[in-house]
Amino acid sequence: QKEVEQNSGPLSVPEGAIASLNCTYSDRGSQSFFWYRQYSGKSPELIMSIYSNGDKEDGRFTAQLNKASQYVSLLIRDSQPSDSATYLCAVAFLVDKIIFGKGTRLHILP
Amino acid sequence: DVKVTQSSRYLVKRTGEKVFLECVQDMDHENMFWYRQDPGLGLRLIYFSYDVKMKEKGDIPEGYSVSREKKERFSLILESASTNQTSMYLCASSPQSGGETQYFGPGTRLLVL
Repeated sequence: QKEVEQNSGPLSVPEGAIASLNCTYSDRGSQSFFWYRQYSGKSPELIMSIYSNGDKEDGRFTAQLNKASQYVSLLIRDSQPSDSATYLCAVAFLVDKIIFGKGTRLHILP
Repeated sequence: DVKVTQSSRYLVKRTGEKVFLECVQDMDHENMFWYRQDPGLGLRLIYFSYDVKMKEKGDIPEGYSVSREKKERFSLILESASTNQTSMYLCASSPQSGGETQYFGPGTRLLVL
């Protein structure tokens, strides 16, 4: 059974600080990794994708992938109240399927 | 921009009714998916399709069926709605198989009384 694990939170972070969201996955053959943001009552929207080991930066967001440790993370710098949402980690396994984690609720404290 | 639309944002149905949820994407994507999302359970895959007239069961297909007669449209059917099918239903599409990004529609919140 392929799994994607996230801490459900809530993770509370002061405004302006760095928010760190973590995700582990079970299958070593996983190829593609995604972070989605979901506001309450809305659908998930893609914010980052990462395919190779290391860091990938996009504005205030940095995705980090460590395939040896089966670990992917998302860092949000200079956190804003508008970053308050649930963040879903998604992992694409070899056999054409994406598994979503249950999400981490992030709360940015003004 | 990819656009995925769903026929209704909110639906209220009675137990036993047949319910149709429609999803349309405008980017010529091969793959389409139906999920339901419930608190504490996350996103669960109901059905998916890689091509017209093709369907595959996801993790929780019981009580649901799907139809894909045209590439851009993927319908989810609740043959006889039950209260435990009250949920948020999300449609998604992606351009090809093999781990491509999925783009989600706005969701349909279904209440079955």
